Amino acid sequence: GEDVEQSLFLSVREGDSSVINCTYTDSSSTYLYWYKQEPGAGLQLLTYIFSNMDMKQDQRLTVLLNKKDKHLSLRIADTQTGDSAIYFCAETPNQAGTALIFGKGTTLSVSS
Amino acid sequence: SAVISQKPSRDICQRGTSLTIQCQVDSQVTMMFWYRQQPGQSLTLIATANQGSEATYESGFVIDKFPISRPNLTFSTLTVSNMSPEDSSIYLCSATDSQETQYFGPGTRLLVL
Repeated sequence: GEDVEQSLFLSVREGDSSVINCTYTDSSSTYLYWYKQEPGAGLQLLTYIFSNMDMKQDQRLTVLLNKKDKHLSLRIADTQTGDSAIYFCAETPNQAGTALIFGKGTTLSVSS
Repeated sequence: SAVISQKPSRDICQRGTSLTIQCQVDSQVTMMFWYRQQPGQSLTLIATANQGSEATYESGFVIDKFPISRPNLTFSTLTVSNMSPEDSSIYLCSATDSQETQYFGPGTRLLVL
């Protein structure tokens, strides 16, 4: 079945760049998403990328997709303490608009 | 984008009772889903809420335990029936907008004693 894998923890210093990695198994994935969950809060959609794209940039966020290796990454430039949260990678198998398959989440800790 | 609200935001319930969670979307959406996030875990899909028909449940989830309604394109409910402490989780509603991106509600934090 489909599977999404992420590393569990990442620790960076304020001002550095953070790179959160994700691998997935379903080659037919259409959309790939990054969500942010702050403590005690719901999921906030950060960004998404369509499977025919290689890169998407949105302010401090850069998403890179290597479809051949089924690897997705989220780069946060100039990481701030407010970026401390859990980041979930998710995919939609087969077609957009269907339920998401989530990774276990990467906890990003930003120290000042 | 779609803005999703859920009620209640949190609750503490006694085992054996039932709780109904409401999900309201500010615009008509095609797909609505219910997820569960157990403590320290990722999200697991419970079911797809189908408008005007029975929900489609994932493996391990059944209608008797998690009845779902979706009477129209903007509203859905999830009931957690005959609760036990193992049902303590965050329950999240999500919806897909016309751009086919999926947005989430703030979640309902349930503690069963």
